Amino acid sequence: DVKVTQSSRYLVKRTGEKVFLECVQDMDHENMFWYRQDPGLGLRLIYFSYDVKMKEKGDIPEGYSVSREKKERFSLILESASTNQTSMYLCASSKQRYSNQPQHFGDGTRLSIL
Amino acid sequence: QQQVKQSPQSLIVQKGGISIINCAYENTAFDYFPWYQQFPGKGPALLIAIRPDVSEKKEGRFTISFNKSAKQFSLHIMDSQPGDSATYFCAAALGGATNKLIFGTGTLLAVQP
Repeated sequence: DVKVTQSSRYLVKRTGEKVFLECVQDMDHENMFWYRQDPGLGLRLIYFSYDVKMKEKGDIPEGYSVSREKKERFSLILESASTNQTSMYLCASSKQRYSNQPQHFGDGTRLSIL
Repeated sequence: QQQVKQSPQSLIVQKGGISIINCAYENTAFDYFPWYQQFPGKGPALLIAIRPDVSEKKEGRFTISFNKSAKQFSLHIMDSQPGDSATYFCAAALGGATNKLIFGTGTLLAVQP
């Protein structure tokens, strides 16, 4: 089974801090994604990556950056955390760059910015 | 044009009943329509998916109905069970060399025993 592991289930940070969310997948998948999930808004794509050192903006990239130095690891960075970034963050991976490839999700990191 | 509209926001069904969740889209370039199921405390997981050249796909108690002319698709859960209680997301993917999904806003399903 594909395993997508997010480093923290819960995280509490302060406004202005630099925050790192880490995600690791163990199936040699090409593609990795970061979403945020908010009630009534569904899942919204922040950034995604089709290869090491490559990244593409999703629908809501403002205030975020990403890093993919190794194929299995995809990091989401909040450069200067703000209260409106309090949310559930989900990482996903998929095998190939085609529309019908299922995305496999981690169990999420619930981030609170105080 | 990139949105996927999902309804209802929440749904309560009696055990053994049929649960129906609807989604609509505008962009005719979408070519793949998956449904994801999410249990509390877990990430979403792929449940069932369909391509627009097929009008219906069934897997066990779960069926997707697809109406290409109306740009609508729906998930039907037959003989709904309490274990089906979860949040369901429809999604749409653009064709070509991309795996980017546009998700609906989700439906919280509660199946009462």
